[in-house]
Amino acid sequence: AQTVTQSQPEMSVQEAETVTLSCTYDTSESDYYLFWYKQPPSRQMILVIRQEAYKQQNATENRFSVNFQKAAKSFSLKISDSQLGDAAMYFCAYRSDYGGSQGNLIFGKGTKLSVKP
Amino acid sequence: DTGVSQDPRHKITKRGQNVTFRCDPISEHNRLYWYRQTLGQGPEFLTYFQNEAQLEKSRLLSDRFSAERPKGSFSTLEIQRTEQGDSAMYLCASSLAGTQETQYFGPGTRLLVL
Repeated sequence: AQTVTQSQPEMSVQEAETVTLSCTYDTSESDYYLFWYKQPPSRQMILVIRQEAYKQQNATENRFSVNFQKAAKSFSLKISDSQLGDAAMYFCAYRSDYGGSQGNLIFGKGTKLSVKP
Repeated sequence: DTGVSQDPRHKITKRGQNVTFRCDPISEHNRLYWYRQTLGQGPEFLTYFQNEAQLEKSRLLSDRFSAERPKGSFSTLEIQRTEQGDSAMYLCASSLAGTQETQYFGPGTRLLVL
């Protein structure tokens, strides 16, 4: 069974600085997708960024980028120029691309990010 | 498109009562997922539908839980004879099946069982 591990329960960053959130996963599959979701306090979960395992190029969405290391099974999220609105729980998630898979997401326990003004 | 909606947003009930939650997915999405999130944890998969067919159920989904998606549109999740351990946030997500599938989440229903 696949597992996702986020080893940093809490992180803090100064506004305008850069922070990196860590995620590792365990799988025997070669085709899968990885995601970072953001869950602000009392608000719904939104997708930050996704990465297809077959793509070598790291995904980027504005101030958000990932460092995907397939061999190491590592998928970290870098947030540049941190803003107060980035404060939230961040979840790393895995989805199998195996034929017949139901497509459900497997989540880590999350990292709570605080942004200091 | 107003996104995924869930109703109610909060529910307080007494142990032993039945509760029902509703999820309205994004209109063109054919897949609908239910997850449960307890405090300090990431969401855990419960069940999912493709159109009106319930295709997978997690071992977390005891026989007190039942989900439906009539006509492949909205979905309901019912918990019978609630227990204090059922207290959690129940999240619904929808997606369009395919290689670019991305799940979009609703705001959740927070259940408290007294």
